[in-house]
Amino acid sequence: SQQGEEDPQALSIQEGENATMNCSYKTSINNLQWYRQNSGRGLVHLILIRSNEREKHSGRLRVTLDTSKKSSSLLITASRAADTASYFCPPLGGYNKLIFGAGTRLAVHP
Amino acid sequence: GAGVSQSPRYKVTKRGQDVALRCDPISGHVSLYWYRQALGQGPEFLTYFNYEAQQDKSGLPNDRFSAERPEGSISTLTIQRTEQRDSAMYRCASSRVLAGTGELFFGEGSRLTVL
Repeated sequence: SQQGEEDPQALSIQEGENATMNCSYKTSINNLQWYRQNSGRGLVHLILIRSNEREKHSGRLRVTLDTSKKSSSLLITASRAADTASYFCPPLGGYNKLIFGAGTRLAVHP
Repeated sequence: GAGVSQSPRYKVTKRGQDVALRCDPISGHVSLYWYRQALGQGPEFLTYFNYEAQQDKSGLPNDRFSAERPEGSISTLTIQRTEQRDSAMYRCASSRVLAGTGELFFGEGSRLTVL
């Protein structure tokens, strides 16, 4: 499969807690991206990590990539209610198209 | 424009009618993608273009679906003889670099309802 598979399917936490989402894929990749989608609205790009990178930070986001295990993780620290959304991790290989999985639905409760 | 613009935002049509969905990408963006998204699911790939060339249309469900981008900018997704199962959110995205190398910027989508 060319898509990323997010795990867990759903995650519920309290505001201020950290949220960790995992992603697995099956093919070799050039990069892997994380996207967020709030309430069925448009998807927003969060971060891109290249295959030769192991970790990347952007604000409260930390992404790791382990190409030997074909897996990635997204950590959101000090979560906020506004982080409530679905998160997707489409990997990108030689086929030049992003294939999305079902996503992780994160709910952050005040 | 400032972002990817899609029109119409909402389209209700009767079964058997043809519909055309338009995507106006960010100015200068070279690649353009079409996705379809059902409620509670991730976006499903349909097709993509680099400039005006359609590179991959393997995701188009059947020959009732077609897409074009004649001048390498605006794209139109056309669905002929619509069926109820075509009801979904259709999303367009563009990228400033060739497909496969950068982030995608998504529009708000066109919600199609086929009665």
